[in-house]
Amino acid sequence: AQTVTQSQPEMSVQEAETVTLSCTYDTSESDYYLFWYKQPPSRQMILVIRQEAYKQQNATENRFSVNFQKAAKSFSLKISDSQLGDAAMYFCAYRIPNFGNEKLTFGTGTRLTIIP
Amino acid sequence: DGGITQSPKYLFRKEGQNVTLSCEQNLNHDAMYWYRQDPGQGLRLIYYSQIVNDFQKGDIAEGYSVSREKKESFPLTVTSAQKNPTAFYLCASSPRRSGYWTDTQYFGPGTRLTVL
Repeated sequence: AQTVTQSQPEMSVQEAETVTLSCTYDTSESDYYLFWYKQPPSRQMILVIRQEAYKQQNATENRFSVNFQKAAKSFSLKISDSQLGDAAMYFCAYRIPNFGNEKLTFGTGTRLTIIP
Repeated sequence: DGGITQSPKYLFRKEGQNVTLSCEQNLNHDAMYWYRQDPGQGLRLIYYSQIVNDFQKGDIAEGYSVSREKKESFPLTVTSAQKNPTAFYLCASSPRRSGYWTDTQYFGPGTRLTVL
């Protein structure tokens, strides 16, 4: 069974600084997708970034980037120039592109606090 | 605006009652999903539907039922058989890519269900 582990329950960073959130996963599949979702106090899950395992290039979305290490099964999220609006729970998630097996497997989340 | 709506935002239920949570999307997405979130945990899949009039059980389907009579709508009924229904419920949808599998899942704002 696939599992996703986020080993940092809480993180904090000074506003405008950079922070990295860790995620590791366990799978025997070779083709899969990885995601980072953000859940602010409103509790809506918002997609931050997505990575396809067959792509060697790390995904980037503005201030958000990932460090995808397929052999190590690691998928960390880097937030640059942290802003107050980045404060939220961040969830790492995994899924395989398989018809009939549609679920996202989530980690337990990392609570990110931004210090003004 | 296109998006996913869930209603109500807060729902209170007495023990022994069935309640239905609404999820509607106008994104023309083929697949829809229901997840449950408990404190300190990631999301767990309850049910999903890839096409109209078809749905599959997720990891924690016991005590829940769904229907998919329209592409836009995927209501979730929490029955009295669900032993611990107090939780936050999130609905998601995703478009279908070429081929069979679905793409990134996008989430609604959620419903907080409390059993009194």
